[in-house]
Amino acid sequence: QVQLVQSGAEVKKPGSSVKVSCKASGGTFSSDNISWMRQAPGQGLEWVGSIIPMSHITNYAQRFQGRVTITADKSTNTAYMEMRSLRSEDTAVYYCARSGVDTPTAIYYFGMDDWGQGTTVIVSS
Amino acid sequence: DIVMTQSPLSLTVTPGEPASISCRSSQSLLHSNGYTYLDWYLQKPGQSPQLLIYLGSNRVSGVPDRFSGSGSGTHFTLKISRVEAEDAGVYYCMQALQSPRGFTFGPGTKVDF
Repeated sequence: QVQLVQSGAEVKKPGSSVKVSCKASGGTFSSDNISWMRQAPGQGLEWVGSIIPMSHITNYAQRFQGRVTITADKSTNTAYMEMRSLRSEDTAVYYCARSGVDTPTAIYYFGMDDWGQGTTVIVSS
Repeated sequence: DIVMTQSPLSLTVTPGEPASISCRSSQSLLHSNGYTYLDWYLQKPGQSPQLLIYLGSNRVSGVPDRFSGSGSGTHFTLKISRVEAEDAGVYYCMQALQSPRGFTFGPGTKVDF
């Protein structure tokens, strides 16, 4: 089982940017899909976007399109989520999670079976 | 976009008794490959979510067999045959029909004692 280890908590000013990392240990994730979710205080889970490190194909929730960039470095098995123009509503715990990617001939989706420990991002003036 | 709803949003349970959570999607989660892309996650207090059930009814290795997932199309159910104290937390259903282009979580069901 792959362990996902995320970077530490961040405190940012409104209008600034934050970049959170997610490193896989005990395996690689180049053929998987790495998703980023967030959870505002007392709220539910919200999908932000995903990347398939092998192809660098990214997908974003519409509401974050243009403000979030997800990247991956296959050489270090690390994925990154950068969010710009931060506002107080972006205060949340951000999680990365791994899931499989189906092909036309095989099912590789088995749920988001590995999650990072979460990174708290606080946006405050 | 696919919208997910859950009921109830809060559930008070008694240890040893059964419990059930309903999840509905705004469109069928049956893929053309024959699989239903609906997962169940449990988030215990202060922890990251953990996968319980994937593709509608497949229990993850290590998850107690008191947990079961069922349903089809747009209506799904998570059942706990006999609730234990360690089952407290928030349960989320999530659609993955559009994986990897998009995922949607339900609002969550808080289970406590």
